[in-house]
Amino acid sequence: GNSVTQMEGPVTLSEEAFLTINCTYTATGYPSLFWYVQYPGEGLQLLLKATKADDKGSNKGFEATYRKETTSFHLEKGSVQVSDSAVYFCALSRTITGDYKLSFGAGTTVTVRA
Amino acid sequence: DVKVTQSSRYLVKRTGEKVFLECVQDMDHENMFWYRQDPGLGLRLIYFSYDVKMKEKGDIPEGYSVSREKKERFSLILESASTNQTSMYLCASSFLDGTNTGELFFGEGSRLTVL
Repeated sequence: GNSVTQMEGPVTLSEEAFLTINCTYTATGYPSLFWYVQYPGEGLQLLLKATKADDKGSNKGFEATYRKETTSFHLEKGSVQVSDSAVYFCALSRTITGDYKLSFGAGTTVTVRA
Repeated sequence: DVKVTQSSRYLVKRTGEKVFLECVQDMDHENMFWYRQDPGLGLRLIYFSYDVKMKEKGDIPEGYSVSREKKERFSLILESASTNQTSMYLCASSFLDGTNTGELFFGEGSRLTVL
């Protein structure tokens, strides 16, 4: 079945450092790919998405490119801030028509120090 | 502002008790979901509903049931709580828009402890 594997955390960085969180997927067909973020004490919210190969999703300085050849969707940010401290989840849509269920990775906890 | 509201942020129950977790959304979404979130396992889908009175099992439905009597409300029921159901429970909703945009709107979660 469809699944995602993301790098284990926790990840601790200093402000203005470069952040990469790796995500690879296994899927039949052509799933859409997503990154969700969970800030402390809050629910998850969509950070960015890509719906087909070579698409780049971007939001709040974060970017991720849908790479079909490497089945990857790595999240990157060039200069992190303390406010980026959160848990990040990679997710993919299941490919059955009309099926809007998502499969999520285990989550990566990121802590940014001032 | 879009809103998914879960009735309880924190609950403590005893083994064998019946537990109700309530979720209400104000966005007129067709789809509603219950996930549980556990460290190292991410989010796992328990149940899914795409319409009133309609439900589908997710990946881990054992020990749970759901009810959707109104479009805006989706309840998760633990008929007889067990300690392995101690977890964070997340409710989410989305439109049934035919494009599979994948944007789910989540509540803040209900942390359940079963003693």
